[in-house]
Amino acid sequence: NAGVIQTPRHKVTGKGQEATLWCEPISGHSAVFWYRQTIVQGLEFLTYFRNQAPIDDSGMPKERFSAQMPNQSHSTLKIQSTQPQDSAVYLCASSLDSRNTLYFGAGTRLSVL
Amino acid sequence: GQQVQQSPASLVLQEGENAELQCNFSSTATRLQWFYQHPGGRLVSLFYNPSGTKHTGRLTSTTVTNERRSSLHISSSQTTDSGTYFCAIDTGYQNFYFGKGTSLTVIP
Repeated sequence: NAGVIQTPRHKVTGKGQEATLWCEPISGHSAVFWYRQTIVQGLEFLTYFRNQAPIDDSGMPKERFSAQMPNQSHSTLKIQSTQPQDSAVYLCASSLDSRNTLYFGAGTRLSVL
Repeated sequence: GQQVQQSPASLVLQEGENAELQCNFSSTATRLQWFYQHPGGRLVSLFYNPSGTKHTGRLTSTTVTNERRSSLHISSSQTTDSGTYFCAIDTGYQNFYFGKGTSLTVIP
């Protein structure tokens, strides 16, 4: 069990470019979460899937952020027209179901120049 | 929004001293989890503890659900305990909300 895998570990984009972040949850886990971590805001919930279906995206900035889970083995977070304020560590987590322990990936550090 | 307050915000200990980290929350928690994060590292689950007391090694977590609080006790602290400790709760909507964390520094 390799744990939750996130790629890339670091991504640098120019302002206005698109960034796609990838997450492979632990095999067999039905719940997948995306969080964002910054020094100022701390850990912020973005969105959550259960059995690949989007359940709650209340934390997602609506205009430029989107997340998908096309199959049970990976989820993507896409940020269009990236802005400097999008710079953060984006964390993916999975759990066996929505009532169990969260397991986090190592995160993707996004830097928007 | 959900309120998870952790105290203290930061703590400096001499190696060997004990630490008590607090987590207070404004809504009933159906799930509560303590995490540890080394600087630049990933979040590692320490305890899944929605109620009662749990122990692992030098760590003890106690959650009093009806008082909406949880604590993490670290005994005989070591330099390797340095990092940030987060408390997170699920109020029944199935996603976790995190506190701002307690930054712990243990000096040799």
